[in-house]
Amino acid sequence: ILNVEQSPQSLHVQEGDSTNFTCSFPSSNFYALHWYRWETARSPEALFVMTLNGDEKKKGRISATLNTKEGYSYLYIKGSQPEDSATYLCAFTAGGGNKLTFGTGTQLKVEL
Amino acid sequence: EAGVVQSPRYKIIEKKQPVAFWCNPISGHNTLYWYLQNLGQGPELLIRYENEEAVDDSQLPKDRFSAERLKGVDSTLKIQPAELGDSAVYLCASSPSWGLNAGELFFGEGSRLTVL
Repeated sequence: ILNVEQSPQSLHVQEGDSTNFTCSFPSSNFYALHWYRWETARSPEALFVMTLNGDEKKKGRISATLNTKEGYSYLYIKGSQPEDSATYLCAFTAGGGNKLTFGTGTQLKVEL
Repeated sequence: EAGVVQSPRYKIIEKKQPVAFWCNPISGHNTLYWYLQNLGQGPELLIRYENEEAVDDSQLPKDRFSAERLKGVDSTLKIQPAELGDSAVYLCASSPSWGLNAGELFFGEGSRLTVL
């Protein structure tokens, strides 16, 4: 059983704050790490897929880093906006397999 | 381009009743997944299809759950009989093929089941 953990479980920030979440995953047999955003009543949407140690990806105000040796990834949101309110899920794939194992998500609420 | 389409979006049934969910993946996507998402938990894989073949159904509770993807396109997931603990969101996802984008999944909006 692969253990993918996310923290914090939930987060309330004010508009304009910057924030970050953590995803921990097994450091052995790594293949890929995914980040998804899931807004209420919508479908989960892929943000990033990262495969190389040291990868950094950015999409607008959102960025992510990857450390496969120690088994963690950070997701950063700069200048949070109310529309960033969603659940952010990370998912890990082990090498040789083809199944995504999801974390429990971080629920972000951005308040005016 | 149309995304993954699921129906129904919401379903309320009484326990012991049957229920079925339908999924139409993105055109050309060979791989189709059904995930179960309980409140406060991450999505958990129920079954994965490569075309019409179920290649991973190890997490599917086969006593009451069944799935099919007869022509390698649409898929249905059935629960019979439903139990209270089956209340959850059932997500369908598809991907073009393993290896492309390291398996990035495209999800539908989910079917939320409430069992009373």
